[in-house]
Amino acid sequence: QIQLVQSGAEVKSPGASVKVSCKASGYTFTSIGISWVRQAPGQSPEWMGWISGDNGNTNYAQKFQDRVTMRTDRFTSTAYMELRSLRSADTATYYCAVGATNFDYWGQGTLVTVSS
Amino acid sequence: EIVLTQSPVTLSLSPGERATLSCRASQSVGSYLAWYQQKPGQAPRLLIYDAFNRATGIPARFSGSGSGTDFTLTISSLEPEDVAVYYCQQRSNWPPELTFGGGTKVEIK
Repeated sequence: QIQLVQSGAEVKSPGASVKVSCKASGYTFTSIGISWVRQAPGQSPEWMGWISGDNGNTNYAQKFQDRVTMRTDRFTSTAYMELRSLRSADTATYYCAVGATNFDYWGQGTLVTVSS
Repeated sequence: EIVLTQSPVTLSLSPGERATLSCRASQSVGSYLAWYQQKPGQAPRLLIYDAFNRATGIPARFSGSGSGTDFTLTISSLEPEDVAVYYCQQRSNWPPELTFGGGTKVEIK
């Protein structure tokens, strides 16, 4: 069965960077991309972008274009999302999900707290 | 950016009643509209994709309809386990971005 296992919770200071990992199993990693979606407390989900599992092509949401980098490691079937210049508004649960348009499979979520 | 507006914000119904949730897009999204269910502490769960296709394992009481700018998620007979927040989500071709609606919270009376 398809599973996505994410790294653990993080606490960061304003201005710092965070890197979240997402290890995939149960399918051919290079056949489908991975999307990243975040959800601030009490808010709707927010799509951050997508990365191909095959060639590493990316499509970032305009809002995050300048601060986010997504990459994959095909050998370990792991996707990574790095967000820089963190501010308090970035406090959220960050999810990875299989696919580019509709998300059938999600990771368990990684809580990132930005606090001084 | 395409904005999705969901209504009502909260829906309170008795078990067995029909729930009708609405999602309106600021411009046409064709049939590229999905619905998710989210319970506290869990990731969203895909219910419907491409406006009316039920995702794998989703009970038949969930159905989707609509196209263009107006979409509906119907729960034909509300069960206690359907208490959750429901989100619609669209994918646009240009800019190639996805957006989610503000959500409808379904409660049991």
